[in-house]
Amino acid sequence: AIQMTQFPSSLSASVGDRVTITCRASQGIRNDLGWYQQRPGKAPKLLIYAASSLQSGVPSRFSGSGSGTDFTLTISSLQPEDFATYYCLQDYNYPRTFGQGTKLESK
Amino acid sequence: EVQLVESGGGLVQPGGSLRLSCATSGFTFSGYWMTWVRQAPGKGLEWVANINRDGSQSHYVDSVKGRFTISRDNAQNSLYLQMNSLRAEDTAVYYCARDETHSDSSGHYFDAFDMWGQGTTITVSS
Repeated sequence: AIQMTQFPSSLSASVGDRVTITCRASQGIRNDLGWYQQRPGKAPKLLIYAASSLQSGVPSRFSGSGSGTDFTLTISSLQPEDFATYYCLQDYNYPRTFGQGTKLESK
Repeated sequence: EVQLVESGGGLVQPGGSLRLSCATSGFTFSGYWMTWVRQAPGKGLEWVANINRDGSQSHYVDSVKGRFTISRDNAQNSLYLQMNSLRAEDTAVYYCARDETHSDSSGHYFDAFDMWGQGTTITVSS
């Protein structure tokens, strides 16, 4: 199975900050990657698919980039509702695999 | 309004069985691949299984192969997960999710789990 490694595992930031989360695949996965946000006690929410395509209804401060093995999720200006855990997910092959998550906390 | 509602969770002894259901409404169920994702207490997300639109194709994570079976009833707009030989490590919240599969200009498809249920909790313990 493809291993997805996210870093950092946790991150402290303030409202208005620019934040970048990285996801690295153990082998090339083209651009077959999505990003999900999960708030405590809630179901995940799709932010980005195909590495860089913004899901409908998701604020434009979220963006994704990358191809091959290295991917990033960027939040251009953190808002209070963005403090959550973020996961990448590869859909290059089966089984699909998530990264271990990056917890974004308020500084 | 699109809705996915999981049910069937509970406490089960190791080696036991459970059947999870995901009742859907508000969209054409038969037009979508569907997926189960789980989350152990305090842990990250784990993709479990998916199934294609007509139920003829399914895939599983290795840890559940031979024990779990995903199925669907398009007439009932419902997704299922039959879970047998349950182990303590299967303890988790189980989510069903709709896959709004996107394609690019070359016809390559991308998963996009755009709608999720609220989750149902399975606890495997004696």
